[in-house]
Amino acid sequence: GQQLNQSPQSMFIQEGEDVSMNCTSSSIFNTWLWYKQDPGEGPVLLIALYKAGELTSNGRLTAQFGITRKDSFLNISASIPSDVGIYFCAGQGGSEKLVFGKGTKLTVNP
Amino acid sequence: NAGVTQTPKFRVLKTGQSMTLLCAQDMNHEYMYWYRQDPGMGLRLIHYSVGEGTTAKGEVPDGYNVSRLKKQNFLLGLESAAPSQTSVYFCASSYWGQGKYFGPGTRLTVT
Repeated sequence: GQQLNQSPQSMFIQEGEDVSMNCTSSSIFNTWLWYKQDPGEGPVLLIALYKAGELTSNGRLTAQFGITRKDSFLNISASIPSDVGIYFCAGQGGSEKLVFGKGTKLTVNP
Repeated sequence: NAGVTQTPKFRVLKTGQSMTLLCAQDMNHEYMYWYRQDPGMGLRLIHYSVGEGTTAKGEVPDGYNVSRLKKQNFLLGLESAAPSQTSVYFCASSYWGQGKYFGPGTRLTVT
């Protein structure tokens, strides 16, 4: 079946640094979604991308839908301690099924 | 709006017991989903529904059944629980093609 490769698996950064993570797939997707999950909570939708080439921001977060429709990246600028958590990418093709990456665990040192 | 709610939050079952997890959403979403999350595996789709009275299999449907008798509710049943079903279960809902909104999860342990 479809698979997403999300990298890096984990990141340890200092407060104030910028962060970048990405997802790649062998399949084309029509939608890319980025979620954040805090411990003990459900994933929360951060950004949704619906068009190839689309660049969307949500505060300090910026995500892009790759032009080939097979990849997406998420950037976090000027990280703060509350950015810690696990970030998931998800892709959606022609059906209602989402394919999730395995997550990037972010740790921010004050 | 409460969004997506799940009942119960925690449950411990013995092997062979049955239980039902309840998901409710108040956003009038047509689509509802059940996922399980295991360490290192990400989120995997169990079953989903595209509207009241409909259900469909996802990636890992074996050992689970679902029902969508009302638009706002999606039930996940385990008829005979197995230790391999120890996991965190998440319900989600959405409009077609839009981002999915997740509930807070149900942590299930099968001993």
